Amino acid sequence: AQSVTQPDIHITVSEGASLELRCNYSYGATPYLFWYVQSPGQGLQLLLKYFSGDTLVQGIKGFEAEFKRSQSSFNLRKPSVHWSDAAEYFCAALKYNNNDMRFGAGTRLTVKP
Amino acid sequence: DAGVIQSPRHEVTEMGQEVTLRCKPISGHDYLFWYRQTMMRGLELLIYFNNNVPIDDSGMPEDRFSAKMPNASFSTLKIQPSEPRDSAVYFCASSLRPNDYGYTFGSGTRLTVV
Repeated sequence: AQSVTQPDIHITVSEGASLELRCNYSYGATPYLFWYVQSPGQGLQLLLKYFSGDTLVQGIKGFEAEFKRSQSSFNLRKPSVHWSDAAEYFCAALKYNNNDMRFGAGTRLTVKP
Repeated sequence: DAGVIQSPRHEVTEMGQEVTLRCKPISGHDYLFWYRQTMMRGLELLIYFNNNVPIDDSGMPEDRFSAKMPNASFSTLKIQPSEPRDSAVYFCASSLRPNDYGYTFGSGTRLTVV
């Protein structure tokens, strides 16, 4: 079955530290991959997306993600976290020519001062 | 562009009442999606439209839920009668071409059924 897994429910990092949020997908063929961020009481904002080509994708707010086909992963990274990055992060996948975007369960990021 | 606009932002209603959630997609977007977010089940696709036509409603929980898109700029999600287990945040999203651009989400409607 098609699914997106985010193994970490909650992550805490110190401000200025690096961040990596994990995402794995299970699809027959490589889907389109997305990372969204949700601040409390807000909708989901698109951070970045991967369709094909360069496996390192740059997004907004200083985020990047790396697609690794061999590991079926699409991990999100940021070199130096800011307090304003505290939010919930969702990985999502969309099968080609299909409009049912599947979301992971989300990872809640807490940033310590 | 004002983005995807949902109303109301919050709705509190009594069990058994009818609830209508509203969504205005981004102008020019041909796709509109309704999602529900709960702690237990995460984000679930309820239904989506393409060019105002419902394409897939397999995620609609039961007959108490219905959705319409009478024109390209407006959609409603109705629950009648509402039950406490319907309490959730309901998101509307729209897209020009999902495979190329992903979705743009509204701010959601937080529904509480008491």
